[in-house]
Formats: sequence, structure tokens, C-alpha cells
Amino acid sequence: NAGVTQTPKFRVLKTGQSMTLLCAQDMNHEYMYWYRQDPGMGLRLIHYSVGEGTTAKGEVPDGYNVSRLKKQNFLLGLESAAPSQTSVYFCASQNQMRSPLHFGNGTRLTVT
Amino acid sequence: EDQVTQSPEALRLQEGESSSLNCSYTVSGLRGLFWYRQDPGKGPEFLFTLYSAGEEKEKERLKATLTKKESFLHITAPKPEDSATYLCAVQAPGGSEKLVFGKGTKLTVNP
Repeated sequence: NAGVTQTPKFRVLKTGQSMTLLCAQDMNHEYMYWYRQDPGMGLRLIHYSVGEGTTAKGEVPDGYNVSRLKKQNFLLGLESAAPSQTSVYFCASQNQMRSPLHFGNGTRLTVT
Repeated sequence: EDQVTQSPEALRLQEGESSSLNCSYTVSGLRGLFWYRQDPGKGPEFLFTLYSAGEEKEKERLKATLTKKESFLHITAPKPEDSATYLCAVQAPGGSEKLVFGKGTKLTVNP
């Protein structure tokens, strides 16, 4: 059982380039989340989805877009990468409200 | 503003030396407090959920407790494999979009 799978694991971008991070879960969970984790800071929510076809903004949404066309996939896009977006990105899924989050192993993104 | 503060930032123990990690929080109407373990290069792994003051949960060498202002993660006779960063998160009223994470405590257990 794979759980939550994130691709790619590592990526280096130049300022202004675009990319998409893919998150896939095989647990049939309704809720999915994108977080970023930076040194000295807690996990911060970027965007989230409460079901197929829905998305909503989290704490730090600027510079990111998301889509949830299929229940099992949640995509995070960067249209024009900036050095401030250098971070480790985690995707998480959740079966129902107040149940624990299941995290992927992250994507380490460096923007030069 | 909902806040979570974890202390200490880092803790170094000898194998077998018991200790506690602290998570203090301010939130209006706690809906749940979560503890996660995070190994280097990995995503957080769920450990416990606590919902009300006085509640306790145990798993192997770990025991989590909750009061109205803070939670403790007690580690009894730790082993080197317990080395990790431990994250605390609190859920404010609303959905999990209201989950607020602390910065974590990095635990190192030396053999």
C-alpha cells in the first residue's frame, strides 16, 4: 500500500520557470493538503481540497495554484518560480475531518 | 492568534535517559492536539491524537498527555532509533485547514 506519493523528489528551477508537483494517494481520502516546510518554521498550509473538483487557499497561497481533477490526485503549480519558493513541499491526505493527516515524503525544490 | 510553541528546540539524551518534550498552545476551542514524528528526508508520521484535558495515550516508549494549556510527550528509556524531530499540531475550530504546527523538537539519542 503506497499511501501518499509525491513526484518529483528533487527539483532545481531557475527564477521565472514553471513546474507542477504531483501528489497521488491510494486511500480514497476526501481531503488533501499542500504544505511547505522551511528551516526554523512550522509546516505552513499553501492550499487544500475537501473533495474532487474543489480547492481553497491556505495560509501562504501567493505564487501557487492547485487543481484536483481526480479524487486521488492533487497538483501544485508554480507559474513563475522565485527564490523565496525554495522549500520542502509536503502533500497530505485525510480520510475525514479531525482524523490524522497522512503525509508523503516531500519534494525538495531549489529556485536559483 | 492561534499559536503552538515547542520546547526545547533540540534535546540530546543518552540511551535509557528518560525525558519530556513540551508543546504549549493558545487556541480558542481546541478540537484536537496531534503529535507527529519526522525522520530526516521523510514526511511526518502520525503518533497520537488527544482531544481533552486529562487524556493520555501510550505507544511503546512514548506517552502523550494533555492539559488545558500544554501537552507533554514523555519518552521512557529512549533508544537511538527514537532519534527524530517531533512535531506538535493543534486544531482550532473548523476543518483541518485550521491545523497549526509547532516548529518541532529535534531529539538525538546517543548509544
